Amino acid sequence: EIVLTQSPGTLSLSPGERATLSCRASQSVSSSYLAWYQQKPGQAPRLLIYGASSRATGIPDRFSGSGSGTDFTLTISRLEPEDFAVYYCQQYGSSLFTFGGGTKVEIK
Amino acid sequence: EVQLVESGGGLVQPGGSLRLSCAASGFTFSSYEMNWVRQAPGKGLEWVSYISSSGSTIYYADSVKGRFTISRDNAKNSLYLQMNSLRAEDTAVYYCARVRKWLQNYYYYYYMDVWGKGTTVTVSS
Repeated sequence: EIVLTQSPGTLSLSPGERATLSCRASQSVSSSYLAWYQQKPGQAPRLLIYGASSRATGIPDRFSGSGSGTDFTLTISRLEPEDFAVYYCQQYGSSLFTFGGGTKVEIK
Repeated sequence: EVQLVESGGGLVQPGGSLRLSCAASGFTFSSYEMNWVRQAPGKGLEWVSYISSSGSTIYYADSVKGRFTISRDNAKNSLYLQMNSLRAEDTAVYYCARVRKWLQNYYYYYYMDVWGKGTTVTVSS
């Protein structure tokens, strides 16, 4: 089973700053099977990025994804107030879906 | 509008059973694979189970294998999760999610693009 490790656990930033979130896999992951989700308190997760770098419908272009193999990154170029939330990476492989532990982006 | 609505959650004693439902609307349910994903209080997301569009292929997380059964009724646009032998650690919000799988440039893309709002399951005496 592939384990996804997200870092940091918490990111304290101010609106307007750049956020860089990391997702590291215990073994190589197909980029086309790597997705990122945003979750706000009391809400369901929302798809942000699929295929490691493609934005989902309606997602602002300040969100971008990159990476391959075992290292993937979600970048928020300039944080808006509505971006403070928890972010999860997720992969599919060997008949299993797995999620990372999440990164909380909080207001500094 | 594409929508998933879960129901059936509640309070159940350890060792008990519960059946969750997920009603789909706004898309051709029979064409999509589906997942159940859960989230324990204050914790992260945990994938629970997958079912193919026809129901012929099913996967489970090790944590629920042998206790949970996923199924679907394409005529009723509904997804189900039968949960038996429930434990305290099964306490969570349970989400159903639509799986998008498509082929582009020889690569399959696989992700969950639509989620329900969730239904809460509490296992406690």
